[in-house]
Amino acid sequence: AQSVTQPDIHITVSEGASLELRCNYSYGATPYLFWYVQSPGQGLQLLLKYFSGDTLVQGIKGFEAEFKRSQSSFNLRKPSVHWSDAAEYFCAVRGGSYIPTFGRGTSLIVHP
Amino acid sequence: DVKVTQSSRYLVKRTGEKVFLECVQDMDHENMFWYRQDPGLGLRLIYFSYDVKMKEKGDIPEGYSVSREKKERFSLILESASTNQTSMYLCASRLTGAPRPTNYGYTFGSGTRLTVV
Repeated sequence: AQSVTQPDIHITVSEGASLELRCNYSYGATPYLFWYVQSPGQGLQLLLKYFSGDTLVQGIKGFEAEFKRSQSSFNLRKPSVHWSDAAEYFCAVRGGSYIPTFGRGTSLIVHP
Repeated sequence: DVKVTQSSRYLVKRTGEKVFLECVQDMDHENMFWYRQDPGLGLRLIYFSYDVKMKEKGDIPEGYSVSREKKERFSLILESASTNQTSMYLCASRLTGAPRPTNYGYTFGSGTRLTVV
């Protein structure tokens, strides 16, 4: 079975500061990993995905994520946060089934 | 760009009503999904469909049914709406058969916020 944990319900950062959102997964082999963003009142948009190869993945809107097998983690990072990044972020893992499991989400609050 | 369109952004229905939530995608995707999203619970899969006329239960199918008569349309049905079905409902689709890794991400609709009173 696959599972994913996002340990932080809320994260607050100042505009211009760096950001790291945590994601830990559980799966027996190398999974497929995703980060999605949901702006208020909107559906989910895919930020980036990891399948194999380079463990540092670049996504849209200046985000990147690093797959660390030893830590079962896939943390999302951004060097400088903009006010428009305030949103809900979801990590998802897909193992043997093609149905991904989503984390409960992390709400990002950006202070001016 | 693939578009997934949910027919209503906001719906208010009465307890006991039969409710239809419609989802249409325009890129010939085989797989379609219905999720509900609740604060603190993330996304939970209600039903999904591999292809036309095929459906599978997800994690929380109770109180819901689905219909997929045409490839582009996937309907979620609440046979008798109850207040505990007040939620945000998200539809998603996915293409199979495309070269990897193109087919590994979902495309989501904007969601339907349903309130049952």
